[in-house]
Order: sequence, then C-alpha cells, then structure tokens
Amino acid sequence: EIVLTQSPGTLSLSPGDRATLSCRASQSVSSNYLAWYQQKPGQAPRLLIYGASSRATGIPDRFSGSGSGTDFTLTISRLEPEDFAVYYCQHYGSSFTFGLGTKVDIK
Amino acid sequence: QVQLQESGPGLVKPSGTLSLTCAVSGGSISTSNWWSWVRQPPGKGLEWIGEIFHTGSTNFNPSLKSRVTISIDKSKNQFSLRLNSVTAADTAVYYCVRDGSPWGQGTLVTVSS
Repeated sequence: EIVLTQSPGTLSLSPGDRATLSCRASQSVSSNYLAWYQQKPGQAPRLLIYGASSRATGIPDRFSGSGSGTDFTLTISRLEPEDFAVYYCQHYGSSFTFGLGTKVDIK
Repeated sequence: QVQLQESGPGLVKPSGTLSLTCAVSGGSISTSNWWSWVRQPPGKGLEWIGEIFHTGSTNFNPSLKSRVTISIDKSKNQFSLRLNSVTAADTAVYYCVRDGSPWGQGTLVTVSS
C-alpha cells in the first residue's frame, strides 16, 4: 500500500500569497494517478486536480498540480479568501489512499 | 449533471451492520465509471472504503475488506454499502462518489448503544 505524506500540516498565509503544498509517496505512483481535493468545514471534498496536473472541470487556473514518481505539489498562485481550507492528496488506480491533509489558514 | 445522495440510518448499535444507499440522479450508473464509498471520522482525514463497477466488479480497502459488501442495483440507479460488526471506530461521515467527482453531501453514521 502506498503511503502519502503531506507537508506542512498547516500553512498560515495571507490572501494574495502563493501556497505550495507537498505530497510525497512511499513508492512511485504509476501513471501519475495522483489527485488533489479541497475540503471546507461541513462540506464534501471537491476534486481540484487529477493525473497529477490536470485541472478538474470548473477549477480556477490559480490552482496547478505538478510532480511525478514520488513527489507531487499543489500550488495556489494567489490565495483568494475562499481558498482557505484543508487539502488532501490521493493516490488512485490499483489502490486508493489519502494523505492526512494540509490545512491552509489565514495568517 | 450527475448528483449523488446518501441515505440510511444515522445510528447503528455496536456489533450491528451499517447499511447505506447512494442514489444516482442526472445520469446512468451503467457508465465507464467506478462508484466508491469514502468515510471521514469526526475531525479526521479521509479513508477510502471500496468501489464497484456497473458489471459488479469490486475493489476494497484491505483493512476493511473482511467486513464490507458493496452492491449495485442498476434498475434503481443506486449502489449500496454494508459494513458489519461495527464499533465506535466506524463512526464517521460516509460519502459516495463517482470516481473523483462528484461527491454526495455525506451522511453521519454514529455507532452507539
């Protein structure tokens, strides 16, 4: 089973800042089957990125994903007030695991 | 636009069976998608439970596999989850989801006597 380690646990930033979230896999992720989700309190997760770098439908272009193999990154170029939330990475395909999440909160 | 809605008892007794149904609207369940269940204990992260294809093929989280059944009813356009021998550790919000999107709104299931 692939273990996903997300860092940092919490990221304290201001609106307009750039956010860089990391997701490291315990072994290589085949076919870049790596997704990113955003979750706000009381809501279901929302798919942001799949295939490591493809934006899901309706996701603003300030969200971008990159990486391959075992190291992946979600970047939010300029934080909007609605972007303060918890972000999870997920491996999918032959097995499915989630990271423990990174909370992006207001500094 | 496909929408998913979970339903089922909000309270289950310890050692009992948790049963939930996910109704799919706005599209057919018989597509080239996998239909999954994911849960989230209060204040904690996400855990994938398992998935089903419209042919009936399934995959499960190894840690839950011995207690989980996922089935599909194409005539009703829905799929279901059964988790037996539940304990307080199974208390969570349970979500159904089509591949990565969309997700149902989630339903809280509490295991308590």
